[in-house]
Amino acid sequence: GAGVSQSPSNKVTEKGKDVELRCDPISGHTALYWYRQSLGQGLEFLIYFQGNSAPDKSGLPSDRFSAERTGGSVSTLTIQRTQQEDSAVYLCASSLMVNTGELFFGEGSRLTVL
Amino acid sequence: AQRVTQPEKLLSVFKGAPVELKCNYSYSGSPELFWYVQYSRQRLQLLLRHISRESIKGFTADLNKGETSFHLKKPFAQEEDSAMYYCALSGTGFQKLVFGTGTRLLVSP
Repeated sequence: GAGVSQSPSNKVTEKGKDVELRCDPISGHTALYWYRQSLGQGLEFLIYFQGNSAPDKSGLPSDRFSAERTGGSVSTLTIQRTQQEDSAVYLCASSLMVNTGELFFGEGSRLTVL
Repeated sequence: AQRVTQPEKLLSVFKGAPVELKCNYSYSGSPELFWYVQYSRQRLQLLLRHISRESIKGFTADLNKGETSFHLKKPFAQEEDSAMYYCALSGTGFQKLVFGTGTRLLVSP
């Protein structure tokens, strides 16, 4: 595709349910990132995949959060037993494996936990 | 640890006035600094990076290692500059990008 694609664009769920958010990066981009955007909190780094290296999971806020990237392409962010504080926009970004610092962002998945 | 601080949540100016969005960072190594912008109903996108020493849409930013700052400046603000601006930092060799909390710039006519 022309850009990073995320689905769903909006998700409303009940507290305690599990949710899955999907990211399709730009073809050929080997690096993939997940960020969380909350009001007043800016962009919070969650996890980073780079090629075949072990992912950097240092930003995941709790063990309810996990992510995987299959075949070096599509990634899924899973939040188990959702809490109201998980409500936010989850942004995915991808970049080429070169030292440019240019991340290409998706439009985000807005999660609302009731 | 990498840290980026943007002290202003909101900066409101009139059209034609100078603009300076502040960014300070904390990093023990050699930093790479960036400014990202998000216009209303658009995706977050790269505005400029310090290594390129470029001017984009009239904006410039100079890395000041002594003051650990990377402020974004524009001499004459335009209404279309109204957006959310994020300063970001990565370490040597481009690791993960760490963002600040963002500053909303509002340019009034």
